[in-house]
Amino acid sequence: DGGITQSPKYLFRKEGQNVTLSCEQNLNHDAMYWYRQDPGQGLRLIYYSQIVNDFQKGDIAEGYSVSREKKESFPLTVTSAQKNPTAFYLCASKRFTTGGGTEAFFGQGTRLTVV
Amino acid sequence: AQSVTQLGSHVSVSEGALVLLRCNYSSSVPPYLFWYVQYPNQGLQLLLKYTSAATLVKGINGFEAEFKKSETSFHLTKPSAHMSDAAEYFCAVSDEGGSQGNLIFGKGTKLSVKP
Repeated sequence: DGGITQSPKYLFRKEGQNVTLSCEQNLNHDAMYWYRQDPGQGLRLIYYSQIVNDFQKGDIAEGYSVSREKKESFPLTVTSAQKNPTAFYLCASKRFTTGGGTEAFFGQGTRLTVV
Repeated sequence: AQSVTQLGSHVSVSEGALVLLRCNYSSSVPPYLFWYVQYPNQGLQLLLKYTSAATLVKGINGFEAEFKKSETSFHLTKPSAHMSDAAEYFCAVSDEGGSQGNLIFGKGTKLSVKP
């Protein structure tokens, strides 16, 4: 089945540690996204990538880093510089068409907790 | 800049009653609009999307939404609520015709359904 796989589903991190969240898609989509979700704040864009080996900062990129070495993979690293990393993280992908209006497909999310 | 405002962070209805979730958007280009649903600790699932083909859009699970340009609105409705509709709902806008095609999300509306 085609889709987006995020792992792990739950992740615990000690303060001062870097952690990497995995996101893999087999939909052959060009664009991939990372969102952070906090209660009552909706989804906020962290980073996005529209093509391999290129990515752009979103609205809340500070304390995060990404790479896009393969079309299928877009891992997110939460660094120790991120002051409040406890949140639900969602990865998404989408394709572009000349007609426009393509929707994003989402993974099941990773819940990160700092202990 | 684009933005989305969802009126009401919580909406409660009785089973069998009309569901109305409000969404207003702001966009400098013709918008593409989306409604997504999220169940607890899950990713987002697309309910429906508006891509300028028709102003009344029908989606999954009996939901529909009407695009009203004069009111800059894209409200989500369902004639009769089911218990299984209890979830969080997100409205989103995309400037697919623009440079990035990123999705901008509202803060979400949590729907409760009373027996």
